Amino acid sequence: DAGVTQSPTHLIKTRGQQVTLRCSPKSGHDTVSWYQQALGQGPQFIFQYYEEEERQRGNFPDRFSGHQFPNYSSELNVNALLLGDSALYLCASSSNRLDRLTNYGYTFGSGTRLTVV
Amino acid sequence: TQLLEQSPQFLSIQEGENLTVYCNSSSVFSSLQWYRQEPGEGPVLLVTVVTGGEVKKLKRLTFQFGDARKDSSLHITAAQPGDTGLYLCAGEYGNKLVFGAGTILRVKS
Repeated sequence: DAGVTQSPTHLIKTRGQQVTLRCSPKSGHDTVSWYQQALGQGPQFIFQYYEEEERQRGNFPDRFSGHQFPNYSSELNVNALLLGDSALYLCASSSNRLDRLTNYGYTFGSGTRLTVV
Repeated sequence: TQLLEQSPQFLSIQEGENLTVYCNSSSVFSSLQWYRQEPGEGPVLLVTVVTGGEVKKLKRLTFQFGDARKDSSLHITAAQPGDTGLYLCAGEYGNKLVFGAGTILRVKS
């Protein structure tokens, strides 16, 4: 059973460019959340997608946008990249349908390491 | 804004020693989750605690959720080099996880 798959694993971009990161959730999961993890810090919540809509958003500017497709996969787009956007971007999937008592917890991918130069 | 303060930030101990990591907040969370993260990888869930006062054991690891569901602790007995890694606590608040800054644990043989 495949877990969460993220692509690409590493990416180098120049300031001002745009980037798209991709995530395929764990089989059976229908909800995708994105997190940004700067070096030496815990992950910070960007937003969550369910039923192809943004359900909740963290404290990130509008340069960060996303999309969820009918097959539950998701994309994270970042426009006008800044040096401070350099981080590990993590995708986490979960199920909104299974019993929460037996399905707490999120499954994280290995992340995309984004470096902005 | 929900915040989770995790302590200590860094812990270096000898094999066989015991240790405790703490996670504290002024916010009430619906659940508290502990993750372990290896370099270059995503966090891997260790345990979820849901009920105030709940205690869960996973081999040499003991997890406790505070009565008021605002704090949690992770206790490791007889630490081994294989326990080395980054430990993260995360509180579930609505549809998001609020993470602590993490505790880097190094167990020397």
